[in-house]
Amino acid sequence: SYELTQPPSVSVYPGQTANITCSGDTLEIKYVCWYQQKPGQSPVLVINQDYKRPSGIPERFSGSNSGNTATLTISGPQALDEADYYCQAWDLVTVVFGGGTRLTVL
Amino acid sequence: QVHLKESGPRLVKPSETLSLTCTVSGDSIGSYFWSWIRQPAGLGLQWIGHISITGKTRYNPSLKSRLTMSIDSSKNQFSLNLTSAAAADTAVYYCARQPYDALDFWGQGTPVIVSS
Repeated sequence: SYELTQPPSVSVYPGQTANITCSGDTLEIKYVCWYQQKPGQSPVLVINQDYKRPSGIPERFSGSNSGNTATLTISGPQALDEADYYCQAWDLVTVVFGGGTRLTVL
Repeated sequence: QVHLKESGPRLVKPSETLSLTCTVSGDSIGSYFWSWIRQPAGLGLQWIGHISITGKTRYNPSLKSRLTMSIDSSKNQFSLNLTSAAAADTAVYYCARQPYDALDFWGQGTPVIVSS
């Protein structure tokens, strides 16, 4: 079965850029989405089809997908961006999630 | 705005069937795929499966033997039945809309405990 691998945690200072990676075999041929989940809340879609931001998602969120790695980038993260982030891909058969990355804004 | 709401028993006995329903408002269930996802406490997300209005289903291979999904367009609802429930099925269960590759609207989630 297809697997997506994320680092368990990423820490960043407010003025920096947070990069959260998601790795999978030939991932670039699939569309990758990213979700933000805060404690006690449902996941929220923040990036769709590799790089598209749904309505209402701040511009500081961006995405890319190349080779075997997709990346969620948060430029100038704020305290309210502290959350778990999950990548997800669909191989036209099953939906697969990465294990999730806890983002800490120091 | 699209809203989804899960409903069903919060306590299920081991070996019994875990049954949940998702009610959709703000959109016709005649469009797209409709997914179930679960999340054990403190752990990550697991996709369970999805169904379309035609009744076409795709299931997570690890759950396929115990899983049945159905859809009722007259009530704008879709449902999940997971047989032979075990403690490992204890989780928060979410329903979500899946237009193509992403899950763009999610329900609030409902916790289900499998215990005697």
